[in-house]
Amino acid sequence: DAGVIQSPRHEVTEMGQEVTLRCKPISGHNSLFWYRQTMMRGLELLIYFNNNVPIDDSGMPEDRFSAKMPNASFSTLKIQPSEPRDSAVYFCASSLHVYEQYFGPGTRLTVT
Amino acid sequence: RKEVEQDPGPFNVPEGATVAFNCTYSNSASQSFFWYRQDCRKEPKLLMSVYSSGNEDGRFTAQLNRASQYISLLIRDSKLSDSATYLCVVKRNNNDMRFGAGTRLTVKP
Repeated sequence: DAGVIQSPRHEVTEMGQEVTLRCKPISGHNSLFWYRQTMMRGLELLIYFNNNVPIDDSGMPEDRFSAKMPNASFSTLKIQPSEPRDSAVYFCASSLHVYEQYFGPGTRLTVT
Repeated sequence: RKEVEQDPGPFNVPEGATVAFNCTYSNSASQSFFWYRQDCRKEPKLLMSVYSSGNEDGRFTAQLNRASQYISLLIRDSKLSDSATYLCVVKRNNNDMRFGAGTRLTVKP
């Protein structure tokens, strides 16, 4: 079975550029989560969707960040404009039941 | 103060040792509790759920104390392959899961 798929796996961009991260959840899962992980702050929940509807985006750091889930099999996290402090590993996770979230391999973002 | 606090670590132990990790949470309305494991430069994966009565999975034992808002993970007879970061996770009354910063364990030969 294919797990959660994220692309790209690595992204290096310059400050001010737009960055789009992509996620394909496990087929049949109805919840999708975006996390950010840094050494300083650990793993932070940015936003999550239930049945493609955003439920809680209180973790989104600021207006430069936006997330969409146009259908059950695809989600994007966009940063515009990007800043060096956005450098982190961004994980997407999906779940069907509340007990376990399945994480993708992550996107390592570096903003110079 | 973070919602989920863990031992800072790192823990460096010899093979065969018993090691325990602790975690406290601040939201008394939290409903479910888990331990996740994260290997270096990999994604987190569920290790085990934590039940009020305590539960065991092979060499791993998890305990929950709701009154003290405290969770623990005990690893017996540690193996080299247990080296990883262990994340304490607390779920609120929806799908919102909060992760601790993690405790790094290194098991040495």
